Amino acid sequence: EDQVTQSPEALRLQEGESSSLNCSYTVSGLRGLFWYRQDPGKGPEFLFTLYSAGEEKEKERLKATLTKKESFLHITAPKPEDSATYLCAVQEISGGTSYGKLTFGQGTILTVHP
Amino acid sequence: GAVVSQHPSRVICKSGTSVKIECRSLDFQATTMFWYRQFPKQSLMLMATSNEGSKATYEQGVEKDKFLINHASLTLSTLTVTSAHPEDSSFYICSARDPLVAGSYTQYFGPGTRLTVL
Repeated sequence: EDQVTQSPEALRLQEGESSSLNCSYTVSGLRGLFWYRQDPGKGPEFLFTLYSAGEEKEKERLKATLTKKESFLHITAPKPEDSATYLCAVQEISGGTSYGKLTFGQGTILTVHP
Repeated sequence: GAVVSQHPSRVICKSGTSVKIECRSLDFQATTMFWYRQFPKQSLMLMATSNEGSKATYEQGVEKDKFLINHASLTLSTLTVTSAHPEDSSFYICSARDPLVAGSYTQYFGPGTRLTVL
């Protein structure tokens, strides 16, 4: 069974203080690893998709990296508007009824103080 | 990126009534849509996979007769919560993938529907 563990559960940063969020996963065959941002009361907003170890993606202050066992979301010089819950999800290479299923981690609640 | 909408955004109903939630892909056609449920301070859990023109596939533990899914067109899937009870109160979110984007398995999520059953 796919497992996704995110750490830390919560992270408080001062504005400008860079840090990283971790997503460890166990899956028999990885089709893709996805990062989303979720604001309270809203649906997840897509950030990145990573497909293979060594891949990196960047968008503004965010950079996602992937290894065979984990992914990191690096936040450089964060701003208060980066405060949100960051979700990691994996999709397994499989057919049948599980095709397309995303398994989510519990998320990391990021708070950036001005 | 692809845009997915949901309607309504919030609904309050009495126990025993049925509630229908719509999920639409606005700028692409989705042969498959997914329905998730999220309880407070918890992550998303897949409920079912909705396939256009065929029966939905439900995850283990999800009652098919309580959560009716209809995917009647390439841009619309509906989730009907039948005989709703307070324990069905939750945040329901749908997602879809644009099948025409080659090599992409990214799912785009709707804004969610907050269901409160009194």
